[in-house]
Amino acid sequence: GAGVSQSPSNKVTEKGKDVELRCDPISGHTALYWYRQSLGQGLEFLIYFQGNSAPDKSGLPSDRFSAERTGGSVSTLTIQRTQQEDSAVYLCASSFDPGQGAGGYTFGSGTRLTVV
Amino acid sequence: AQSVTQLDSQVPVFEEAPVELRCNYSSSVSVYLFWYVQYPNQGLQLLLKYLSGSTLVKGINGFEAEFNKSQTSFHLRKPSVHISDTAEYFCAVSGLRISSGSARQLTFGSGTQLTVLP
Repeated sequence: GAGVSQSPSNKVTEKGKDVELRCDPISGHTALYWYRQSLGQGLEFLIYFQGNSAPDKSGLPSDRFSAERTGGSVSTLTIQRTQQEDSAVYLCASSFDPGQGAGGYTFGSGTRLTVV
Repeated sequence: AQSVTQLDSQVPVFEEAPVELRCNYSSSVSVYLFWYVQYPNQGLQLLLKYLSGSTLVKGINGFEAEFNKSQTSFHLRKPSVHISDTAEYFCAVSGLRISSGSARQLTFGSGTQLTVLP
């Protein structure tokens, strides 16, 4: 598609349930990133995928968080046993990499996760 | 490692007035610099970027920013704001070197909420 697509746009879940968030990057973009934006705060890096390389998971806040990217395209971020502090907007971005520094990222509209 | 400081969390300004949103960064390597804008309930949109060359960078919607290496700053300016400029603005940096881990991700500031008043 023309842009980065994320689904669902909103998700309300009960504490303790698992959730999956999906990201469809721009076709041809080899780099994919997940960020988390908590209320009133900046963006927190979670994970980075580049082609077939091992992902950079250094930003994942706990082992309840995991992500995969299938076929170098679609990515799924999974949060297990959700907690209220997981409530945030989860943003996905993609870019050409190693060109990412030149072009910046293209962001999706995000998934707003609310854990009740 | 890099860090970004946006000195003002909220900036209210009247319509048609000039505005400056401040951004300072620290990095042990040379960096690329970016400003992103986030309108309510939307994702982030790239406003402008500094890669190299002229230190004055012009972006979309009449915004511009000036890279000052000695002051490690990249302040965003607009000479006359509109109501539609009300949004959150994020400054970000990434490292130049592709082989460096620091080049793989953007480091964002905490954001500045610009509110344009009628």
